[in-house]
Amino acid sequence: QVQLVQSGAEMKKPGSSVKVSCKASGGTFNENGISWVRQAPGQGLEWMGGIIPVFGLRNTAQKFQDRLIITADDSKGIAFMELSSLRSEDTATYYCARDLGIYDLVTARYSFYYMDVWGKGTTVTVSS
Amino acid sequence: DIVLTQSPGTLSLSPGERATLSCRASQTVVNNNLAWYQQKPGQAPRLLIFDASTRATGIPGRFRGSGSGTDFTLTISRLEPEDFAAYYCQQYGDSVLTFGGGTKVEIK
Repeated sequence: QVQLVQSGAEMKKPGSSVKVSCKASGGTFNENGISWVRQAPGQGLEWMGGIIPVFGLRNTAQKFQDRLIITADDSKGIAFMELSSLRSEDTATYYCARDLGIYDLVTARYSFYYMDVWGKGTTVTVSS
Repeated sequence: DIVLTQSPGTLSLSPGERATLSCRASQTVVNNNLAWYQQKPGQAPRLLIFDASTRATGIPGRFRGSGSGTDFTLTISRLEPEDFAAYYCQQYGDSVLTFGGGTKVEIK
């Protein structure tokens, strides 16, 4: 069973950026997608976006489109989430999760679906 | 984006009782592409149900997902002590995934 290992907790100043990594224990994502989901303290889950590393296709929620970059190196089985222009409201636990979506060969589009394997989460605290 | 509204916000029940959780979508969820997750404090979410009614690997039979269109339900037939947790629905019928606000099932 693949495991996703995330990087450690981060403390950041407002206006700065944070980059969180997510590495597959088996060394590859096996053509699965990776979604990034965050959870503010005491709040619910929020999908930020995702990537299908083998094809390099990504999708981002509109709310984050101007300050979120999701990348991946499929050969190394590692994905990254970089969020810029941080503010206090970005204080949250950030999860990566394996997405079991579908790639359409005709349209060359990947549809993100549901997530069956999750990392343990990375706590990001934004404070001056 | 599709808005998912979960009710109730909190459900207070005793072990052995039946739990019924609701998830209502602001528009039809294509292909009933809806999942349910369980989350315990300090832990990552755990996939319970996908495609509205299919249990994920290793999920006990007391968890049952049902519904279609805009109305979906997660039923836990007899609550075990380990079932007291928060539950979230999530739709993937749209290109932008969204989660409901969650239902907390607490011990009465």
